[in-house]
Amino acid sequence: DTAVSQTPKYLVTQMGNDKSIKCEQNLGHDTMYWYKQDSKKFLKIMFSYNNKELIINETVPNRFSPKSPDKAHLNLHINSLELGDSAVYFCASSQHRSDTQYFGPGTRLTVL
Amino acid sequence: AQSVTQLDSQVPVFEEAPVELRCNYSSSVSVYLFWYVQYPNQGLQLLLKYLSGSTLVESINGFEAEFNKSQTSFHLRKPSVHISDTAEYFCAVITSGNTPLVFGKGTRLSVIA
Repeated sequence: DTAVSQTPKYLVTQMGNDKSIKCEQNLGHDTMYWYKQDSKKFLKIMFSYNNKELIINETVPNRFSPKSPDKAHLNLHINSLELGDSAVYFCASSQHRSDTQYFGPGTRLTVL
Repeated sequence: AQSVTQLDSQVPVFEEAPVELRCNYSSSVSVYLFWYVQYPNQGLQLLLKYLSGSTLVESINGFEAEFNKSQTSFHLRKPSVHISDTAEYFCAVITSGNTPLVFGKGTRLSVIA
C-alpha cells in the first residue's frame, strides 16, 4: 500500500496553461507539504498544511494555489504556467512538523 | 533562520571503501537533524535522524551520523559502501517554532565498482 501517492507522475504542457497535481496520504498524518526540486536537485518547501489549514507559505508566486479538501489530501493547482515552473514537485506528510516526513514519488512537470 | 551546508556536491568512492558526507548547520536554538536519501527517479526516504539523547545515530543499512553541537555538524559515515548506495543524500534541519524543515543542497554519492 502506497503511503504517499501523487498523480500524475509526468506532466508535459504548454506555457500559459493551468494544471493540477494531486496528492494523497494514507498514513493518518496531520501535516502535508509541497516541495519543488529544481534541475540541480535543490529542494525547497512551498507550502505546509496542518489539518487542512495553511501554516507555511514560502515566497511562491500566487499562480500556485494549494487546496486541502481533507487532511489526507493536498492538491496543487498552477495557473498560467511558465518555463521556470519546470521541476519535480514532491508531496510529503508527517504527523508533526518535527517528525519524519514521508515523500511521494514526485511529479515531473515540463513546461514547453 | 537556520541553514544547512553540504560542502561536497559530489563524492565518488570505490566499492567497499569508507565514506563521509559532510553536513554543517547554523542555528542559535535547539535543532532536530535528518539525513534523507533519494535514489534515482524516486522520492526522498529517511535514512536516520537525531532528535535527542545519544549523539550517535544509526540506520538499518550501515550508515551512522554523529551530532556534534560544538562543531554544529551532523556528518554521515559508512565504513564500507555498496554499489546500491549510489544516490543523492540530503541533510536537513528543523528548529522549534514555526520554521519549516530546511534541506542542504545535497551530495551525490557515486559508488564505483
